[in-house]
Amino acid sequence: AQSVAQPEDQVNVAEGNPLTVKCTYSVSGNPYLFWYVQYPNRGLQFLLKYITGDNLVKGSYGFEAEFNKSQTSFHLKKPSALVSDSALYFCAVRDYTNAGKSTFGDGTTLTVKP
Amino acid sequence: EAGVAQSPRYKIIEKRQSVAFWCNPISGHATLYWYQQILGQGPKLLIQFQNNGVVDDSQLPKDRFSAERLKGVDSTLKIQPAKLEDSAVYLCASSLGVGRESADTQYFGPGTRLTVL
Repeated sequence: AQSVAQPEDQVNVAEGNPLTVKCTYSVSGNPYLFWYVQYPNRGLQFLLKYITGDNLVKGSYGFEAEFNKSQTSFHLKKPSALVSDSALYFCAVRDYTNAGKSTFGDGTTLTVKP
Repeated sequence: EAGVAQSPRYKIIEKRQSVAFWCNPISGHATLYWYQQILGQGPKLLIQFQNNGVVDDSQLPKDRFSAERLKGVDSTLKIQPAKLEDSAVYLCASSLGVGRESADTQYFGPGTRLTVL
């Protein structure tokens, strides 16, 4: 069975500092990996995805993520955090050998302080 | 381009009552998903349609939950009878979805927040 772990419930960073939100996954085949962001009372918004190719993926709002196959990780990063980045972040894995079923982590709340 | 529409946005019912949620996906999107998001958890896939056929409903509690996607466009998710543990946000998403190997992005609606008393 596929699974996603986001080991940190909360991440706090100061504005202007780099941020990292961690994600590890388990899947039987080759994974498709996604990051989504959720603002209060709104649905999830797509940030970026890894399918194949370059291990460093660039996405919306200056976010990027690094795929590491040996460590089965897909950490979300941003060089300089903004207060407006404060939100709930979800990592998801999709196993295309399992009818493309998506599994989400339980989310990490990012708080960026001025 | 219009996004995924859901209604109602909020619903409060008593346990054992029934409730229905409606979703209209992005035009042209073949795949539609219903997720349940309990407070403090990530979304859990309930059912996935491709056009009007079911691709995956392995986590749908079929004794009380049902869903349909007539004509392969909009969809309805129903709960009958509701239990206290069904209190959650129900998210609908859609994607272009041309097969199980698709890595296309899912676009989510704003969700319906259900409270069962």
